[in-house]
Amino acid sequence: DAKTTQPNSMESNEEEPVHLPCNHSTISGTDYIHWYRQLPSQGPEYVIHGLTSNVNNRMASLAIAEDRKSSTLILHRATLRDAAVYYCILSYNQGGKLIFGQGTELSVKP
Amino acid sequence: EAGVAQSPRYKIIEKRQSVAFWCNPISGHATLYWYQQILGQGPKLLIQFQNNGVVDDSQLPKDRFSAERLKGVDSTLKIQPAKLEDSAVYLCASSSGTGDRETQYFGPGTRLLVL
Repeated sequence: DAKTTQPNSMESNEEEPVHLPCNHSTISGTDYIHWYRQLPSQGPEYVIHGLTSNVNNRMASLAIAEDRKSSTLILHRATLRDAAVYYCILSYNQGGKLIFGQGTELSVKP
Repeated sequence: EAGVAQSPRYKIIEKRQSVAFWCNPISGHATLYWYQQILGQGPKLLIQFQNNGVVDDSQLPKDRFSAERLKGVDSTLKIQPAKLEDSAVYLCASSSGTGDRETQYFGPGTRLLVL
């Protein structure tokens, strides 16, 4: 299984942009990059996913490096509600399975 | 659209007792997953169903854990007998398929404490 590396924790100020990095140097050409987040005392929720091109949705943007060995989840204006653990996950031919790592715990200061 | 429902939300039992968790996935979702999340760790997949058949149960401790998905809708996860190390949050998730682009939708989880 392809592995990802994320910082254990990050801090942000409210209403400022947040860039959450993920390294996946062993990614294969057909691995999708998924991001989920888990708010305190809740189940994980989907944030965004991509393959090669940068992706945007109402929650966030996903910037994928040209060599695909790293990606960055961008929250354009952090709110207190964005404080959560963010997981970067690769999937290819895993039958839909998600293999979670430790994730990055994001704290947002008012 | 209703989300994934789980019950109970909390359960406290003593070791060697048995416990069961219930999950109702999003309507129409063929794929159902059970995860175990120990405090401070990411969720770990226990079992995956496609309709009422098991796709992957390689991480399920089969000597004490069992799961079923009768009629391909609701699912039950059972632990018998429970051990202290089973204290965790048990998460149920569902998706419409098993492709690599599929989104999984998670329930709120059942928090189990084994004393």
